[in-house]
Amino acid sequence: GAGVSQTPSNKVTEKGKYVELRCDPISGHTALYWYRQSLGQGPEFLIYFQGTGAADDSGLPNDRFFAVRPEGSVSTLKIQRTERGDSAVYLCASSLSARGNSPLHFGNGTRLTVT
Amino acid sequence: DQQVKQNSPSLSVQEGRISILNCDYTNSMFDYFLWYKKYPAEGPTFLISISSIKDKNEDGRFTVFLNKSAKHLSLHIVPSQPGDSAVYFCAATNTGNQFYFGTGTSLTVIP
Repeated sequence: GAGVSQTPSNKVTEKGKYVELRCDPISGHTALYWYRQSLGQGPEFLIYFQGTGAADDSGLPNDRFFAVRPEGSVSTLKIQRTERGDSAVYLCASSLSARGNSPLHFGNGTRLTVT
Repeated sequence: DQQVKQNSPSLSVQEGRISILNCDYTNSMFDYFLWYKKYPAEGPTFLISISSIKDKNEDGRFTVFLNKSAKHLSLHIVPSQPGDSAVYFCAATNTGNQFYFGTGTSLTVIP
């Protein structure tokens, strides 16, 4: 079956620009997560959705970052006024339910480069 | 504050031998622990998990051991195969809302 799909796979943007990253989760998965991975680091939590609502956005680094999931399926991570420090791989994951015994299924990520 | 730590950035093992990857954590409230495998340019793939009420879980060539008193878990791969060469991440959660990941261990299995 189809896994988690993320688009684009690569995005290069200039400092100060706005970007949107899209995630299409596995059908039927109610929980959706965004993580960010920098070189040599593990995935770092950004935000988690249960259905349409952001249940935990404590990992968003600042108010330039925002994410939505309006219909409880596809999610978009939005970054305003991008900075070079935002360069990383942004990973989306989904799971059947937000429980520890329901593992995350990751997409291949979007590599964001801010020049 | 790194709640999940993998102190070995890399590990090399001969094909057919055992690979042991280690992970330490600080939060005693974690109730599930997971291992993920990652190939270059791909997202992490779930490998195996263990509940905090158990001390061992086995799935084929992969076994995870949990030592709660030491706040330590390990992943054993036996026998190791060249296709196991990847970066392995340890992760933990206490609610399912947030999963905390280690920095990864790069495993190379030498043919």
